[in-house]
Amino acid sequence: DAGVIQSPRHEVTEMGQEVTLRCKPISGHNSLFWYRQTMMRGLELLIYFNNNVPIDDSGMPEDRFSAKMPNASFSTLKIQPSEPRDSAVYFCASSSFRQVNQPQHFGDGTRLSIL
Amino acid sequence: DQQVKQNSPSLSVQEGRISILNCDYTNSMFDYFLWYKKYPAEGPTFLISISSIKDKNEDGRFTVFLNKSAKHLSLHIVPSQPGDSAVYFCAASVGGGADGLTFGKGTHLIIQP
Repeated sequence: DAGVIQSPRHEVTEMGQEVTLRCKPISGHNSLFWYRQTMMRGLELLIYFNNNVPIDDSGMPEDRFSAKMPNASFSTLKIQPSEPRDSAVYFCASSSFRQVNQPQHFGDGTRLSIL
Repeated sequence: DQQVKQNSPSLSVQEGRISILNCDYTNSMFDYFLWYKKYPAEGPTFLISISSIKDKNEDGRFTVFLNKSAKHLSLHIVPSQPGDSAVYFCAASVGGGADGLTFGKGTHLIIQP
């Protein structure tokens, strides 16, 4: 079975550029989560969707960050304009909220470096 | 304000012995707890979980214990194997996992041959 697929795996870009991270959740999952991992703050939730609808975006650090889920099989996280402090590993995860106590399954992440 | 804490950044255990990883939490609303294992350059991999209505859950070599009164959980790995060397994250959720997870900072487990 295909797991959560994220692209690109690595992204290096210059400050001020727009960055778009992509995620394909596990087929049949109806919840999708975006996390960010940094040395200082560890793994932290940015935003999550249920049935393609954003439920909680309180973790999104600034208005420069936006996320969309146009359909059940695709989500994007966009940073515009990007800044060096956005450098981190960004993970996408999916799960099913039709049943309680279902674990989230993670992709392998996008390592983002803003120069 | 860390709601999930893993106070040991690293732990070294001899192969074949028991590994015990600990985790404390402060939010009494958490009702679902999980352990993830992470290798470098990979995403966290789900290992085992426990609901707040239980105090123990076992899956092969892995057992998770939950002490709600102490707001403490632990992961036991018996026997420890070289492939268990990784970073282990404790995570917690409100609403049976439907909401996002709150993670600890992780414990780097090193299994010595």
